[in-house]
Order: sequence, then structure tokens, then C-alpha cells
Amino acid sequence: DTEVTQTPKHLVMGMTNKKSLKCEQHMGHRAMYWYKQKAKKPPELMFVYSYEKLSINESVPSRFSPECPNSSLLNLHLHALQPEDSALYLCASSQPLDGPYTEAFFGQGTRLTVV
Amino acid sequence: DAKTTQPPSMDCAEGRAANLPCNHSTISGNEYVYWYRQIHSQGPQYIIHGLKNNETNEMASLIITEDRKSSTLILPHATLRDTAVYYCIVRSPPFGNEKLTFGTGTRLTIIP
Repeated sequence: DTEVTQTPKHLVMGMTNKKSLKCEQHMGHRAMYWYKQKAKKPPELMFVYSYEKLSINESVPSRFSPECPNSSLLNLHLHALQPEDSALYLCASSQPLDGPYTEAFFGQGTRLTVV
Repeated sequence: DAKTTQPPSMDCAEGRAANLPCNHSTISGNEYVYWYRQIHSQGPQYIIHGLKNNETNEMASLIITEDRKSSTLILPHATLRDTAVYYCIVRSPPFGNEKLTFGTGTRLTIIP
């Protein structure tokens, strides 16, 4: 199984809503990531988790709250978002830091629309 | 990580070899060159990576110049499914945190 599964595929939420994005992988990868991609732009890193601990936060606003409850799951909790937060949110995973390098695997993304 | 420069778009006829250039003139000795692609509305997909030797896998070949300041990704027999945005990325070890910094990439269109 070389898949990273993201749910939901599409999400429409109001600015006062609270929602969560979910990401799951069963490849034994211990590093997991959230990227944000606006239309016609390259993906931009948001967060990196290594061994279930947050290792990189690219100065993301606090209305985005990541969580890594176990080595296979990564969540992104959303609260009080703005319309400009509408984007494709991508999850990725890769091999452990102390292991041989392999490529990062990306999910298909969650397309988020904030209204 | 070193920055990369890629042409914004390219066309290639179906069945022909697609050659995608990347300039990374400030690359340092321990930095690797990676290529990913992103088909419309999908997540990026790893293609290939290399340090200084040419590399080949089932998807593509990577040619790195001797001075390592540029590289070319070659898709030997392009198909319509190869239409995508191709990203050239330069990274230094240690790996694993995968802080991939995507540039603007090259939008490759395969023409029937």
C-alpha cells in the first residue's frame, strides 16, 4: 500500500465553522506534512511532523491547527477561516529521518472552499 | 536550498521525447536534484532524483551536467498522460523532513 488517503475530497465551510481534514498512510512513514496550494501556484509547506511531534511550522496562522494522534494519522483542524484560505490542501508522508531516503508520497488533496 | 529556474511552459508531440531543462547554478556539493510532477487536480508525484551521475528509472531519465549547474529530465516517449506541471527541486541532506520547496515549475503539454 503506497497510498496517502485524504478525506474529504471536497469541503465547503463558512467562516464561523469548525472542520477537520484527515490524512492517513500505512507505509510506516514517520514524517508527515501539510501543504497548501492556491490555484495555479506551487504547493507551499505548512507543517511537518516527525515521529508524531511537530518539527516545522512555517508561520501558519493559528486558525490552522495540526494534530498527529498516531504514526498513521494526521489531522488539520480548521476554525474561523477566511475566504482567502480557500485552496487545495495536500498531505504527504516520507521515510523516517534516520532511514534511507525514499520519495515523499502525496495524497490527492482536499479542495477547501471558505464562504 | 538552492533555487531553480525552469521555463514556464513547453509543448511536446505525443510519442516524442520530452526534454525539460532546469537551471540550478547555485547548487552546492551535497545538494541533490529532484523532479516531481503534478497532474491537474492531483497531488505531486515523485519522478526521479540524482546527485551527479545520470539516473534512469521506469518513468524518466535525469541528465545532470558535469558542473551540476543544470539538469534535464527526459520522458522518452511522451503520452497524453504526461501532461502535467513538472517541478525541479534542489535539496540537501539529511533527508526525511521533506521540506520540499516547489518553484513555479514547467507546464508540459503533450500534443496529440
